Amino acid sequence: QKEVEQNSGPLSVPEGAIASLNCTYSDRGSQSFFWYRQYSGKSPELIMSIYSNGDKEDGRFTAQLNKASQYVSLLIRDSQPSDSATYLCAVNMGRGQNFVFGPGTRLSVLP
Amino acid sequence: EAGVAQSPRYKIIEKRQSVAFWCNPISGHATLYWYQQILGQGPKLLIQFQNNGVVDDSQLPKDRFSAERLKGVDSTLKIQPAKLEDSAVYLCASSLGSGRARGETQYFGPGTRLLVL
Repeated sequence: QKEVEQNSGPLSVPEGAIASLNCTYSDRGSQSFFWYRQYSGKSPELIMSIYSNGDKEDGRFTAQLNKASQYVSLLIRDSQPSDSATYLCAVNMGRGQNFVFGPGTRLSVLP
Repeated sequence: EAGVAQSPRYKIIEKRQSVAFWCNPISGHATLYWYQQILGQGPKLLIQFQNNGVVDDSQLPKDRFSAERLKGVDSTLKIQPAKLEDSAVYLCASSLGSGRARGETQYFGPGTRLLVL
């Protein structure tokens, strides 16, 4: 079983809609969870981090964490064409290999 | 605050040649990471340094890849000899602490795009 999995893309949503990105992880001892955005040809940039169960909101972005289900998600409200990118889920498992990345989900926001 | 610096930005070599990449982390960051990102995939950790010691190099192909971080600041990653499958983006990242603490965040450099022909 892969350590960090994300819903396969590409995901297409119309402008103004809510985009929902999902991530599951295998290590129950994982402590910290991150969402990175990566534009084509660019390096990953941190959008949000979350450490406790529940929701965390930052502007149009909401991260949701459920440790019992080993699930973390990212919601993007009022999606804009500029949100079109690949979204990477990263998990800090707090052991030898700290940050493990998922394969990414490519999001396209259609005008 | 300056970000993570990497050079070169692009490199094209032929298989069996050698290549080296350089990274300078954010000032004061103790931990430095090298990732390999193949097109369409997420970054894969190659090696992690804390100061000038290796924390994790379990996924580094040691028969051809080597890395060092002298004086606990900048780092070089070398491939010798290169194979076609080494074509990828090599990302360097750094974090302030050990990388294990809750809340630890890593910041990425612009990456080096390697094409092996």
